Amino acid sequence: AQSVTQLDSQVPVFEEAPVELRCNYSSSVSVYLFWYVQYPNQGLQLLLKYLSGSTLVKGINGFEAEFNKSQTSFHLRKPSVHISDTAEYFCAVTTLSTGFQKLVFGTGTRLLVSP
Amino acid sequence: NAGVTQTPKFRVLKTGQSMTLLCAQDMNHEYMYWYRQDPGMGLRLIHYSVGEGTTAKGEVPDGYNVSRLKKQNFLLGLESAAPSQTSVYFCASRLALFGQNTEAFFGQGTRLTVV
Repeated sequence: AQSVTQLDSQVPVFEEAPVELRCNYSSSVSVYLFWYVQYPNQGLQLLLKYLSGSTLVKGINGFEAEFNKSQTSFHLRKPSVHISDTAEYFCAVTTLSTGFQKLVFGTGTRLLVSP
Repeated sequence: NAGVTQTPKFRVLKTGQSMTLLCAQDMNHEYMYWYRQDPGMGLRLIHYSVGEGTTAKGEVPDGYNVSRLKKQNFLLGLESAAPSQTSVYFCASRLALFGQNTEAFFGQGTRLTVV
């Protein structure tokens, strides 16, 4: 079964600094990978997705992520964060095999951007 | 464009009471999901549906039942609520499991408190 690990429960960062949110997945078959953002008291919105092809994926709000098959990772990055990026970020995976109907989420990383 | 709509947004139940959460989507999506979100645990899949009239168990199905009588609606029922079911519940839908349109769209959530 697929699983997702987000190693950091909380990441504090100053405004305009770069940030990386880490995500590792466990699957022996091909996967689709997603990053979602959740602002306070709201639902989840898609930031970006990796389906196939180029391993560097660009998303909304200046975020990007790199798929690394050998490391089974899909880390999210932004070169310069804003106060408005304060939110919770979830990594998710779906496998292209048994259980492909399911979308499995990590435990989330809370990004705290301070002035 | 409404997307995914959850009803109600907030509810307080007494232990042992029953209730039904409604999820409605207007995007003609085939696949629908119910998740619960608890602090430090991310989103955990309760039940899901791969089409009208079909449902399947996720990772935390106990104490919940679901029905998908119409393609656009996915109902989550609690027959006898327990304090452990205090959570924020999210419904999601997906158009496809493969290809470009595989991302999930989320409702705004239902905050349920069982006292």
